[in-house]
Amino acid sequence: AQSVAQPEDQVNVAEGNPLTVKCTYSVSGNPYLFWYVQYPNRGLQFLLKYITGDNLVKGSYGFEAEFNKSQTSFHLKKPSALVSDSALYFCAVRDYGGSYKLIFGSGTRLLVRP
Amino acid sequence: DVKVTQSSRYLVKRTGEKVFLECVQDMDHENMFWYRQDPGLGLRLIYFSYDVKMKEKGDIPEGYSVSREKKERFSLILESASTNQTSMYLCASAQTGNNFSPLHFGNGTRLTVT
Repeated sequence: AQSVAQPEDQVNVAEGNPLTVKCTYSVSGNPYLFWYVQYPNRGLQFLLKYITGDNLVKGSYGFEAEFNKSQTSFHLKKPSALVSDSALYFCAVRDYGGSYKLIFGSGTRLLVRP
Repeated sequence: DVKVTQSSRYLVKRTGEKVFLECVQDMDHENMFWYRQDPGLGLRLIYFSYDVKMKEKGDIPEGYSVSREKKERFSLILESASTNQTSMYLCASAQTGNNFSPLHFGNGTRLTVT
């Protein structure tokens, strides 16, 4: 079965520093991976996706993610964090067999301190 | 922009009541989903639909049913609400296609069952 794991419940970083939010995956076949962000009292917003091709994927709000097949990871990164990046981040993988379902990780809360 | 609208932001219902959560999308998407979000558990899929009058069970369908009579509307029904169904409910839609289009989410309905 497809699954993703987010090993950190919370990540703390100072404004201006680089940030990384970790995600590892387990899939049968090719992985189709996504990152979403959730601001307080809002639904999830799409940040970026990896389907195939370049291992470094660029997305919204200056975020990028690095796909690493050997480590089965898809970490979310940003070179310089902003206080406004503080939110809940979810990694997700497309379910097997052509379904459009997404399977989500448990989420990581990012706190950027001024 | 795709808009997914959930009819209520907050609902308070009593144990045993029948509860309807409504979701409407305006982009003619074939696929619609209902997830529930609980702290530490991420998002779990309740039901999804890939076409009008079609439905598929997700990972946690027990205690829920759905209705999709029109393409733009997907309703989640709690037949007899229980306190363990207190949660945030998120509706999403996605287009069928070859570009692995992301899911678009509504802002969520926070349901409290007392």
